[in-house]
Amino acid sequence: DIQMTQSPSSLSASVGDRVTITCRASQSISRQLNWYLQRPGKAPKLLIYGASTLQSGVPSRFSGSGSGTDFTLTISSLQPEDFATYYCQQSYSSLMYTFGQGTKLEIK
Amino acid sequence: QITLKESGPALVKPTQTLTLTCTFSGFSLSTSGVAVGWIRQPPGKALDWLAHIYWNDDRYYSQSVKSRLTITKDTSKNQVILTMTNMDPVDTATYYCAHLVGGNNKYYYDYWGQGTLVSVSS
Repeated sequence: DIQMTQSPSSLSASVGDRVTITCRASQSISRQLNWYLQRPGKAPKLLIYGASTLQSGVPSRFSGSGSGTDFTLTISSLQPEDFATYYCQQSYSSLMYTFGQGTKLEIK
Repeated sequence: QITLKESGPALVKPTQTLTLTCTFSGFSLSTSGVAVGWIRQPPGKALDWLAHIYWNDDRYYSQSVKSRLTITKDTSKNQVILTMTNMDPVDTATYYCAHLVGGNNKYYYDYWGQGTLVSVSS
């Protein structure tokens, strides 16, 4: 199985800050990495797919990069609605689409 | 507009079988490249991928619960059904279904249902 490890597990930041979340795969997954945002009590929302393609309607302050085993999600200038939990997910192995353990982004 | 909605019991007893239905609209599960997946989330914990079924009836299951899961589709009713046998309190979670789409080696869940909370308790 491909394991996905996110860091940090939690992060405190302020509105306007630039933040980066990292996701590492246990083996190469090419660029088959997706990022989701989840607000409390809500379903996850797709932000980025294919490591760097912004989903339609997602603000341009979100960006993704990486390939192989190491990936990052960057938010260029945090907005109040961005405080949530973020998950990465690999779609390289159709046998099992694993998620990372999540990164909770909190207001400082 | 794509929508998905999960339905099923809110409470099941240990050892019972859980049956969840995902009823969707706005797409057809007979269209090439399309799939529907199930993902669960125990309270306060991370997302946990369970299974998905493709338009061509290919099915994939999480290795950790594979022996307990069955995913099927009813294309005429626009439904995907997940059954999980031998339920245990650790299976208490919100269960989501989601629309999987992609191509060119990019596959992702772009639409999600609202989720349904299933508690396992005697």
